Amino acid sequence: RKEVEQDPGPFNVPEGATVAFNCTYSNSASQSFFWYRQDCRKEPKLLMSVYSSGNEDGRFTAQLNRASQYISLLIRDSKLSDSATYLCVVNRGVNFGNEKLTFGTGTRLTIIP
Amino acid sequence: GAVVSQHPSRVICKSGTSVKIECRSLDFQATTMFWYRQFPKQSLMLMATSNEGSKATYEQGVEKDKFLINHASLTLSTLTVTSAHPEDSSFYICSAREYSNQPQHFGDGTRLSIL
Repeated sequence: RKEVEQDPGPFNVPEGATVAFNCTYSNSASQSFFWYRQDCRKEPKLLMSVYSSGNEDGRFTAQLNRASQYISLLIRDSKLSDSATYLCVVNRGVNFGNEKLTFGTGTRLTIIP
Repeated sequence: GAVVSQHPSRVICKSGTSVKIECRSLDFQATTMFWYRQFPKQSLMLMATSNEGSKATYEQGVEKDKFLINHASLTLSTLTVTSAHPEDSSFYICSAREYSNQPQHFGDGTRLSIL
C-alpha cells in the first residue's frame, strides 16, 4: 500500500464548479499535512497546510480526519487558473523538525471554460 | 516570498558522466535542504536531507556514494550524480527551509537525461 494515496484523476470540471479531492495516508504517526499545487513540469508550491480543525483560505477548504487518516481539499467557484496537479503531502517525520515529506502522485485538475 | 534557485534546469549527457546540480536559497539562510527525485507518472520521492555543515541523511535505497550531497554553506547545496546511467534520468528537485517550523520552498527542478 502506498504511504499517500490519491485519485489520479483527471478531473475535468467546468469553470465555476466546486471540486473535491481526497487523500488517505497509511502512517498514523504522521505529524503534519499539506496540499501542494504543481503546474506542468514545474516545482511544487505550497497551497495550504491542513489542520485538524479544518481550515479555509479563500475558495479553498482543507479538512483532516486523523481517525480515518483522510485528508480532503475543496475548491469552490473554480477558475481556469486552478488547472494544475494537486499533491497531497504528509510529513512522516517522527520528531518536530525531523521533516520527511511524503508526496502523493497527485490529482490532475483541468478547469474547462 | 522565499526563492530557491536550481541550476541547471536541463541536462543531457552521455552515460558515465558525472553531473552536478546546484540548489541555492536566494533570500534566506537554509539550515536544511532536501533533495527529491520524480520519475514520470510517479510521486516526488525524498532522496536525502542535508543540514548545513554536516553529512546528508539518505533515504533507504538511495546510494550515498552515487548521489553525493554537499551542503557547505547556508545558501548552497549541491547534488552530484556520479557516473550517471540512463536509469538515473529523472526530474531532480531541491527544497530548502530556514527554520524547522517553516514550510519547504522548492527549486524549479533539473531535468536530467542520460543517453
